[in-house]
Amino acid sequence: QQPVQSPQAVILREGEDAVINCSSSKALYSVHWYRQKHGEAPVFLMILLKGGEQKGHEKISASFNEKKQQSSLYLTASQLSYSGTYFCGTGGNLLTQGGSEKLVFGKGTKLTVNP
Amino acid sequence: EAEVAQSPRYKITEKSQAVAFWCDPISGHATLYWYRQILGQGPELLVQFQDESVVDDSQLPKDRFSAERLKGVDSTLKIQPAELGDSAMYLCASSPQTTRDTQYFGPGTRLTVL
Repeated sequence: QQPVQSPQAVILREGEDAVINCSSSKALYSVHWYRQKHGEAPVFLMILLKGGEQKGHEKISASFNEKKQQSSLYLTASQLSYSGTYFCGTGGNLLTQGGSEKLVFGKGTKLTVNP
Repeated sequence: EAEVAQSPRYKITEKSQAVAFWCDPISGHATLYWYRQILGQGPELLVQFQDESVVDDSQLPKDRFSAERLKGVDSTLKIQPAELGDSAMYLCASSPQTTRDTQYFGPGTRLTVL
């Protein structure tokens, strides 16, 4: 089941904050966040694991609500370089995904930061 | 910093032709993934290897797509014959062990089928 991301697109001015949400209909065991610029490969931002472990960049924070099966990515004091499409990838476990732990990615949130 | 290598970066082919993509993961990474990304969509997993074994190929169109990772290092994804609907970005990624690890993506191969 593909996670649902919201909003689909957001436009900011430099210095403003943004929140991107990712919701799943299935129990989550991991949430991965990536940013992709046009024509380039996705770049790792953050990984959140069931149990509270987080790994990621210093300037980006995220939350993982296991009960609500949701994750949110917080971008504060946005910079021009933050522009791109943000994807969340949700991972289940062998019991919840029919024997696969694969990541299923959402359709993305396009973020544009203007001067 | 170690990176995932892919080649070619761009490939234009005619329908019914065969194409092949190559991926060299980060050294020491046991898990290798091939994704397909259609413009405006998120990556979709085609096949996942753990060392040389296929862990998940449930979304791989096996009548025309094949993938191998013979020695558990580099990998090849083949399409034969290519169809118009195969036009997409093909991304390779690797991670140290499982999907709970960070996946590092290569630059991708942009395939255009005419």
